[in-house]
Amino acid sequence: GAGVSQSPSNKVTEKGKDVELRCDPISGHTALYWYRQSLGQGLEFLIYFQGNSAPDKSGLPSDRFSAERTGGSVSTLTIQRTQQEDSAVYLCASSKTGIYEKLFFGSGTQLSVL
Amino acid sequence: AQTVTQSQPEMSVQEAETVTLSCTYDTSESDYYLFWYKQPPSRQMILVIRQEAYKQQNATENRFSVNFQKAAKSFSLKISDSQLGDAAMYFCAYRSGNSGYALNFGKGTSLLVTP
Repeated sequence: GAGVSQSPSNKVTEKGKDVELRCDPISGHTALYWYRQSLGQGLEFLIYFQGNSAPDKSGLPSDRFSAERTGGSVSTLTIQRTQQEDSAVYLCASSKTGIYEKLFFGSGTQLSVL
Repeated sequence: AQTVTQSQPEMSVQEAETVTLSCTYDTSESDYYLFWYKQPPSRQMILVIRQEAYKQQNATENRFSVNFQKAAKSFSLKISDSQLGDAAMYFCAYRSGNSGYALNFGKGTSLLVTP
């Protein structure tokens, strides 16, 4: 596609439920990132995928968070047993390989946990 | 982990004027990269400008330029001839040249542009 696509745009869920957030990166981009943006805060790194390498999961805040990337393309971020503190905007970004490459971001998923 | 500090939560500038957004960072590395990203209300972050630490020359992109002071660990963004479309959140970000690919972001500066 023309840009990074994320779905859903908004998600409201009840505390304790599981949610799945989807990211469709730009075709040909081998690197994919998930970030979390809480209200009034900067972006918090969650996880990074690069090609077929093992992902860098160092930013995941707890074992309730997991992510996978199938076929080197679409990625899904799963949050199990959601808590109110999980409410945030979840941003996905992709880039070509290379440490100086710019990231292309999606418009994010606004998650609200009631 | 490297920390990025943006000390100005909000800034305001008149159309056609110049504004400077500040950013400082803390690192012991010599090899790294610095970025400024813009986030409009659409939430989609857009790269404004980037700088490699080993380059002494300040990066410039049209109306946007940086003042990179490596010894002071400072990376400010100057916006010249400000336009209404420049109104957004601006985030400074750091990426290590040695360990990992994650960008560390500051908390952002909200820029208001007044007519």
